[in-house]
Amino acid sequence: AQTVTQSQPEMSVQEAETVTLSCTYDTSENNYYLFWYKQPPSRQMILVIRQEAYKQQNATENRFSVNFQKAAKSFSLKISDSQLGDTAMYFCAFTPLIQGAQKLVFGQGTRLTINP
Amino acid sequence: DVKVTQSSRYLVKRTGEKVFLECVQDMDHENMFWYRQDPGLGLRLIYFSYDVKMKEKGDIPEGYSVSREKKERFSLILESASTNQTSMYLCASSAEGTYNEKLFFGSGTQLSVL
Repeated sequence: AQTVTQSQPEMSVQEAETVTLSCTYDTSENNYYLFWYKQPPSRQMILVIRQEAYKQQNATENRFSVNFQKAAKSFSLKISDSQLGDTAMYFCAFTPLIQGAQKLVFGQGTRLTINP
Repeated sequence: DVKVTQSSRYLVKRTGEKVFLECVQDMDHENMFWYRQDPGLGLRLIYFSYDVKMKEKGDIPEGYSVSREKKERFSLILESASTNQTSMYLCASSAEGTYNEKLFFGSGTQLSVL
C-alpha cells in the first residue's frame, strides 16, 4: 500500500523567514506524481505545487519550491520569504499512474503558522 | 470562477439517521471524489467517480454509498449515521486527462453525529 508521511504536525516561523516542510512516501511504483496542497482557515484546499517523478528538475512556483529526492522517496516543500497569508495546513499527496482517475493519497498534514 | 459547492458547511445529525451530503461542480469535470479529513490522519478517499453512474471504492468506503446521476452532482450517503462518522467531508473534482490534473475542492462539510 502507498503511504505518505509528514512528520511535523506543527511548525511556526517569523514572517520573511524560510521554512521547509518535510514529506516522505512509500511506493513500489516508478511513475507517479507528487503534490503539495494548502488549506487555509477558509478550508478551501488549493494546489501549491506539483512534481512529476520522471522529471529530475525540482518544481518551483514563485516563493514555493520542492526538493525531490526520488531514491530517498522524499518530497519537501520550501517556502521562501514567508508571508502571513501562508498560514495554513499543508498536505503532501501522491498519486500513482494507474488506470482511471487519479487517486491521491494524502499525508497527515503540517499546520504552519507565520508570526508577524 | 470555477466552483465546487457543498450544500452545507455545518451539519448535525442523530445516530441512525440517513444523511445526504451533496456536491455540485460547474466545470464539466469527469472525475469527482469524496474525502474525509480527520486530525492526525489527513485526507482519506471514501469513493470516487470518473463518469456518470460510475463509482469506485476508495480506501474507507465502509458505511458510505454514493450516487452520480448527473455529471455535475456527486452525493455521499451515510445509510445509518454513527458517531465515528463525525468528521470533515471534502468533495473534489478534476478534469479527465493526465494524472497531474489538479483537484478542485469544495469548502467542506463539518458533520457531527450525536
